[in-house]
Amino acid sequence: QVQLVESGGGVVQPGGSLRLSCAASGFTFSRYGMHWVRQAPGKGLEWVAFIQNDGRDKWYADSVKGRFTISRDSSNNTVYLQMNSLRHEDTALFYCAKDLPGTYTVDYWGQGTLVTVSS
Amino acid sequence: QSALTQPASVSGSPGQSITISCTGTSSDVGSRNLVSWYQQHPGKAPKLMIYEGSKRPSGVSNRFSGSKSGNTASLTISGLQSEDEADYYCCSYAGSGPSWVFGGGTKLAVL
Repeated sequence: QVQLVESGGGVVQPGGSLRLSCAASGFTFSRYGMHWVRQAPGKGLEWVAFIQNDGRDKWYADSVKGRFTISRDSSNNTVYLQMNSLRHEDTALFYCAKDLPGTYTVDYWGQGTLVTVSS
Repeated sequence: QSALTQPASVSGSPGQSITISCTGTSSDVGSRNLVSWYQQHPGKAPKLMIYEGSKRPSGVSNRFSGSKSGNTASLTISGLQSEDEADYYCCSYAGSGPSWVFGGGTKLAVL
């Protein structure tokens, strides 16, 4: 069955960096685009970034453009989110999710990893 | 992209039907039928319930249905059950980038 396991969250000071990882299994990773979506404590969902199945195209929310970078490694079925210049407002549970091909739909979600930006 | 507009809360009794609205603009909800709906129970990851406006993934109950009119999409849950009590989010592909935009979420209470 599909499994997405996020890791790499933690507490970081404003201006700091963190790299999140998402290990995928149970599906042919190289065929699927992948998303990162976040949820601030007690708040709603916010789409963060998407990478196509072949890694060629990457798209970002305006709120993270220039600070976050999404990437993937098909040799170990992992998608990453490099987060730089972190701000208090980046504090959130970050979910990794797979795309539903051809439908522009965020499909199956992992359980998330918590990022806390605090001094 | 601004968030899609959903009511903060809705409620219904077991067996009843409820509808949750999701209002966007002609650039997102209104421009294409690429709205999806998610159910999120407390402390859990969101689960896809509807995609492309009205399609149900395998395993999702046919009590859940989706529709769209103009810039507003809707999720209807019929035959309400206690386990339907959760937060529900709409999401639309918004092009221009491209990007995806979520609604603010609706808390469903089954009284």
